[in-house]
Amino acid sequence: QQQVKQSPQSLIVQKGGISIINCAYENTAFDYFPWYQQFPGKGPALLIAIRPDVSEKKEGRFTISFNKSAKQFSLHIMDSQPGDSATYFCAARMDSSYKLIFGSGTRLLVRP
Amino acid sequence: EPEVTQTPSHQVTQMGQEVILRCVPISNHLYFYWYRQILGQKVEFLVSFYNNEISEKSEIFDDQFSVERPDGSNFTLKIRSTKLEDSAMYFCASSEAGTWAQPQHFGDGTRLSIL
Repeated sequence: QQQVKQSPQSLIVQKGGISIINCAYENTAFDYFPWYQQFPGKGPALLIAIRPDVSEKKEGRFTISFNKSAKQFSLHIMDSQPGDSATYFCAARMDSSYKLIFGSGTRLLVRP
Repeated sequence: EPEVTQTPSHQVTQMGQEVILRCVPISNHLYFYWYRQILGQKVEFLVSFYNNEISEKSEIFDDQFSVERPDGSNFTLKIRSTKLEDSAMYFCASSEAGTWAQPQHFGDGTRLSIL
C-alpha cells in the first residue's frame, strides 16, 4: 500500500529521443508526486512535481503525465540530451505525512 | 542557490561504535529530514524534525537512532551502536514548511561504511 513501483530499472535513449519512465501506486491517499534527478555523488534534486487535480504538468523538456484512475504517473523527457544521463526517482507523499516514499529508481543513459 | 551541506562525505566506523552524521540545512528552513539509501536500493525515509521535536519516524528509526539540533544551524543523526546493516548513504533534507508546496531539498549525502 505504501509502495511506489517504478519501471524500467534502466533506459538507454539516443540523443534527441524521448525518455519515458513510469510509476504506479496503490494508496489513494497519496496527493503529491515529485520526480527527483540524481547525478553520481550528489543528492536527489527536485525536477518537477504534480498533484492529482491535474493530468499533466510541463516544465521545459520535462513533462509529468498523471492518470488518477489508473494510479499511474510518468515522466517524459523530450529531446533527451547526454547531460540528462542520471538516475531518476519518482516519489509520493500523503498530505498527512512528511515522508516521501520513493520508487526504486531508473538509470537513464542518453547516447550522443 | 542555498544548499544543504553534509559532513563528512564518507565515514568509516567499526561495528558497535557510535557515529554522528552532521548536516547544515538551508538557513530559513524549519523542517528537517533524514533519509538513507542502502547500495542498490531505494531511498528510505528515516525521520522528520520540527520545532525541536520528531514529527514523524519510520520503523527503521529505532532506539539506536537519535536526532538533534544542537544549535541554530546544525542538524545531526546519531547511531548509537552501529551494525553492518547500517552501511548506507545517509541524506539530510530540509524544507521551509512541512506542506507539499515546500519541496524537500537534499544534501549530497554521507556514505557510512561499517566494518
